[in-house]
Amino acid sequence: NAGVTQTPEFQVLKTGQSMTLQCAQDMNHEYMSWYRQDPGMGLRLIHYSVGAGITDQGEVPNGYNVSRSTTEDFPLRLLSAAPSQTSVYFCASSYSGLKNEQYFGPGTRLTVT
Amino acid sequence: AQSVAQPEDQVNVAEGNPLTVKCTYSVSGNPYLFWYVQYPNRGLQFLLKYITGDNLVKGSYGFEAEFNKSQTSFHLKKPSALVSDSALYFCAVRDVLGGATNKLIFGTGTLLAVQP
Repeated sequence: NAGVTQTPEFQVLKTGQSMTLQCAQDMNHEYMSWYRQDPGMGLRLIHYSVGAGITDQGEVPNGYNVSRSTTEDFPLRLLSAAPSQTSVYFCASSYSGLKNEQYFGPGTRLTVT
Repeated sequence: AQSVAQPEDQVNVAEGNPLTVKCTYSVSGNPYLFWYVQYPNRGLQFLLKYITGDNLVKGSYGFEAEFNKSQTSFHLKKPSALVSDSALYFCAVRDVLGGATNKLIFGTGTLLAVQP
């Protein structure tokens, strides 16, 4: 049971480039989400999904796209990278329901130059 | 709108002493409250949660938290700190009235430094 996995671990992009951050979970969790972590700002929700085929925006969705074609995978796409997207990105998953804690992946550290 | 505040950016404590990391929240209905810990260059790990019932919640690694509805607080505590407890701690809240979207709102984090 690998839990929540993320790739790549590190990435450097040039402004304007696009890329996809991968996230997968093997716990059959319905709910998955993407956060970004910036110093002094805690974790901010980018996008989330309550099940395959269903996605919605969080607090800071601009510049990012997501899709959820399977229960296991929830990739995050940066359409045209900007320096403001330099951050650490975390994927998380949980069972549906407000009482359930989320399980986090190890993170992707992204630098946009 | 729901929100959570961690008023201390950093807490310093000597090993063996009790520790407290503070958290206050604001929600429209009743809260579901969570504490997570983040070690350097790692993802967040779940420590404990308050859903309902006993106001004192026990969690992993000897941590506990006390829910105080009148003060809208959920402070994290440990009777005797270890150097290995040094990490970044996040409080998070979910409003029971928030619907089925399962969104957590995180505080800005408190860095706990335990000195030997």
